[in-house]
Amino acid sequence: EDQVTQSPEALRLQEGESSSLNCSYTVSGLRGLFWYRQDPGKGPEFLFTLYSAGEEKEKERLKATLTKKESFLHITAPKPEDSATYLCAVSLAGSQGNLIFGKGTKLSVKP
Amino acid sequence: EAEVAQSPRYKITEKSQAVAFWCDPISGHATLYWYRQILGQGPELLVQFQDESVVDDSQLPKDRFSAERLKGVDSTLKIQPAELGDSAMYLCASSLGLATDTQYFGPGTRLTVL
Repeated sequence: EDQVTQSPEALRLQEGESSSLNCSYTVSGLRGLFWYRQDPGKGPEFLFTLYSAGEEKEKERLKATLTKKESFLHITAPKPEDSATYLCAVSLAGSQGNLIFGKGTKLSVKP
Repeated sequence: EAEVAQSPRYKITEKSQAVAFWCDPISGHATLYWYRQILGQGPELLVQFQDESVVDDSQLPKDRFSAERLKGVDSTLKIQPAELGDSAMYLCASSLGLATDTQYFGPGTRLTVL
């Protein structure tokens, strides 16, 4: 069964304390891996797409990396406004493109 | 910046009533998705359209849920009758085409069934 697992479920950081979020996947074939940010009561906001092992993408304090079994979202020197739930999703090779999501990591950054 | 529009943002209804949600995708996006997100979980696909055609509705509870995209632009998702377990966030997303394109999400409709 195709599966996406995110860890930890929740993460509390002090402002400036860098860390990483993990997304591991077990799928029959990967087309792409997506990271989204979701604020409470809002829809997911697109952050990154990764397609092949070794690929990296950066945006401000965020950097996403991909291996054959997992992806990491690195947060460097986070600020309180980075507090949100970060969702990982995969699109399967041969599928019509629908996304399979993990349950998310809820990040809290304290000043 | 182009966005996916959804309405209403919030809906409170009693069980056994009918509810409907509307979505207007980003202009030019041929593929439209409806997802359901239960609190604390990731979104799960309900139905996917390519233009006006249904591509995947395998996870749509067809005894009570229906979806249409008559002119291949905006879309309506209906629940009749609503049940307590339908309380969730209903998200609409769109992408340029099938399979290879990033999906952009709307703000969602929060449904509460009493």
